[in-house]
Amino acid sequence: DQQVKQNSPSLSVQEGRISILNCDYTNSMFDYFLWYKKYPAEGPTFLISISSIKDKNEDGRFTVFLNKSAKHLSLHIVPSQPGDSAVYFCAARDNNAGNMLTFGGGTRLMVKP
Amino acid sequence: EPEVTQTPSHQVTQMGQEVILRCVPISNHLYFYWYRQILGQKVEFLVSFYNNEISEKSEIFDDQFSVERPDGSNFTLKIRSTKLEDSAMYFCASSVAPSGRGTDTQYFGPGTRLTVL
Repeated sequence: DQQVKQNSPSLSVQEGRISILNCDYTNSMFDYFLWYKKYPAEGPTFLISISSIKDKNEDGRFTVFLNKSAKHLSLHIVPSQPGDSAVYFCAARDNNAGNMLTFGGGTRLMVKP
Repeated sequence: EPEVTQTPSHQVTQMGQEVILRCVPISNHLYFYWYRQILGQKVEFLVSFYNNEISEKSEIFDDQFSVERPDGSNFTLKIRSTKLEDSAMYFCASSVAPSGRGTDTQYFGPGTRLTVL
């Protein structure tokens, strides 16, 4: 079951540049999307979310874009900082399936000083 | 800032033994969840719990699993007879909003690493 996919297992970016993390989904019933950040030995930390009625949501250095026709969302981090180095997961909720979240496999972001 | 807490951080058990993983959700949250992540795999939904009953569960959540809210603060996951393949990180999460009404951001605890020998 690959309803949510993050095709890039890793991404390396220079400090100060933009990080773009991508996520694709197949279930057209997903209505709410979230990005989580995870450090080793810790739980996922909520970063930012977007409802399917929007195409963009911004919070400080983090912006999430949603392209419903392409079933694609992306997380932009500008400017990237070394402390952003972590694994980033996108997750999606199907309103018809209650509150359960379906996660992608994660992308490991490394921000080099 | 309120946070979800979980105990223990690491649990080692023998195959066939019962384990109870404990969670204290954020105090004003109404929905509670368990997820797990087997090493190298995706985070997978196990179960959600609202109003003292299970609201959704996945195929993983079979008869060996149960959840309980024994008091006003704790939320537990019990595995009755552990198997080797139950070894994973188990994450508890909670959210305030009901399904379909606005945002229902789920906030995760730090996880319990379960090792079944």
